[in-house]
Order: sequence, then C-alpha cells, then structure tokens
Amino acid sequence: GAGVSQSPSNKVTEKGKDVELRCDPISGHTALYWYRQSLGQGLEFLIYFQGNSAPDKSGLPSDRFSAERTGESVSTLTIQRTQQEDSAVYLCASSPPHNNEQFFGPGTRLTVL
Amino acid sequence: AQSVTQPDIHITVSEGASLELRCNYSYGATPYLFWYVQSPGQGLQLLLKYFSGDTLVQGIKGFEAEFKRSQSSFNLRKPSVHWSDAAEYFCALYSSGTYKYIFGTGTRLKVLA
Repeated sequence: GAGVSQSPSNKVTEKGKDVELRCDPISGHTALYWYRQSLGQGLEFLIYFQGNSAPDKSGLPSDRFSAERTGESVSTLTIQRTQQEDSAVYLCASSPPHNNEQFFGPGTRLTVL
Repeated sequence: AQSVTQPDIHITVSEGASLELRCNYSYGATPYLFWYVQSPGQGLQLLLKYFSGDTLVQGIKGFEAEFKRSQSSFNLRKPSVHWSDAAEYFCALYSSGTYKYIFGTGTRLKVLA
C-alpha cells in the first residue's frame, strides 16, 4: 500500500513569506508526528497528533509555527513569516493504533532565502 | 532526563568489514528502542526495534542490535558492510509516558570500496 507522502518535496521561499507543508499519512494510522531536521542535526520533535487532537505542541519553536490535522487524515504544518533559520527538512511520520513503530515520509526540504 | 546519544558523528569502514554503531540512552524504565536508516534525500526507514524479550534483535538488511540494560546501550551491528549501506543511521527511544520519540543526532557511515 501507499506510504506516507509529503508535499511539496522542495520549497524555496523568501524571508517573511508564509509556507504550508502537507503530510498524508498511511490510511488507518491514528498518530501523526512532525519533525524538523536541520543540516547535520538529528530529528527535532515539533508536534504530535492523536486523531485530530494535538496533545503535545511543546516542540513548536515559536508562535509562527502551527499545525492542523483533519480527522485521522492529512495534516498541514504552517510557518508564518518565515526566517532563514527555518530552513530545514520537515519530516512527517505516522503510526498505527497500539503500535509504536513510525513510518516516515520523504520530507519537504524548505529553503528560506 | 530522557536522551539518546550517538557518540560517533562519522564512521568510515571498508566494504566487507564489520560495523558497530554506538547508541546510549537515558530513560527511567525499560525503553522502546529503534534504529533507523536515512539514505540521501530519503525519509527514515526502520531497521529494527526492541520492545522487550530477547535482547538481541534482528533487523532488515542483515543488521542486528543488542540491548544491554547495564550499559544503557543499544548498539547496531553488521558482520559485513556493503557499499549500499552508506547512509545516516539514527537511534531512537520511544517514551510511552509522553508519546514522544527522542532521536540521537545520527551517525553518518561511509563505505570504502
């Protein structure tokens, strides 16, 4: 079956613009995670959804970052007024119910000029 | 505090040589542990996982890892490395209390022909 998909695969934007990143999880996966991976760094947890509820938003770096999820389906990560330090690969992962294994998407590479 | 440490940022081995990638964790209970591999431009792929039971776990692509509670370690091993194993490897811990995954900073593997 289809894996986790993310779009766009690459996004170049100008400083100050808003961007929206999309994640389509595997069908039936209730949990969805967003991570940020900066050059040479590990994965930085951003936010976690269980269904369309976000019990943990503690990883969002600032109030410029927000995320939504529609039911147990697609999620969008929005970054407002982008800054150069937002440049990174944004990874999405989903997990099925009662299973701790994460399935990752290919990521969106964001470049803020 | 919960954490995952991968002490080696880069490792270079010759094709056919054995490989061991180190991972140390800090967690208050029995952890759920994972190893992921990330090829350039790709998302993360699960190699293997430890939840409980046998401390030596087998994964895909000929990889194995051993959980050692006394050393708080979960090192990844492969007896004979192939050129296609060149990638970045991440160790991760799942915190059942917070539903978060904590990743190490990764080890980049280079394989010499």
